[in-house]
Amino acid sequence: EAGVVQSPRYKIIEKKQPVAFWCNPISGHNTLYWYLQNLGQGPELLIRYENEEAVDDSQLPKDRFSAERLKGVDSTLKIQPAELGDSAVYLCASSLDFDPAINEQFFGPGTRLTVL
Amino acid sequence: GESVGLHLPTLSVQEGDNSIINCAYSNSASDYFIWYKQESGKGPQFIIDIRSNMDKRQGQRVTVLLNKTVKHLSLQIAATQPGDSAVYFCAESSGSARQLTFGSGTQLTVLP
Repeated sequence: EAGVVQSPRYKIIEKKQPVAFWCNPISGHNTLYWYLQNLGQGPELLIRYENEEAVDDSQLPKDRFSAERLKGVDSTLKIQPAELGDSAVYLCASSLDFDPAINEQFFGPGTRLTVL
Repeated sequence: GESVGLHLPTLSVQEGDNSIINCAYSNSASDYFIWYKQESGKGPQFIIDIRSNMDKRQGQRVTVLLNKTVKHLSLQIAATQPGDSAVYFCAESSGSARQLTFGSGTQLTVLP
């Protein structure tokens, strides 16, 4: 069974440019997460989807970040415009349901963003 | 705010020795804990979990210990192997939101 797929794996852009990340979760997983991971730090939740609904986006900087999950499957995370401080790894994860105590979260390999 | 942190950022052990990675948490309401392993260029991978009604849980070569009195969590790896070299994170979950909060990670290096 394929795991969580993310693309691109690496992205280098200049500041003020837009960028988008794509995630394909494990088939059948209703819950999808986007995390931000800075170097040497643990992942920090940006947004959580239950099917196509964003149910927890309190940590998403809405002035420049946006996300969507069309038809409750694939998801796209966008930054516009990107800033130097956005350089990080963006991780996507999915699980059958939202409670981590019951449903394991499976992580993708991440997209490493470098903003110059 | 509440946080989950690790005592040591790096740990080096000889191959075959046992490894102990520690984690302190501050949220007394945390009721579920997970250890993740993250290899370079990959996402975190679930290793083992423990609920707050338990003190110890064992898996294959790994054991997690939970001390709720001092809010401390540890991961023990028996007979550490080169493939165990990675960054290890603890994470906790609590409340109705069930959001995972991760610590900052410990880099484990296994020496030949």
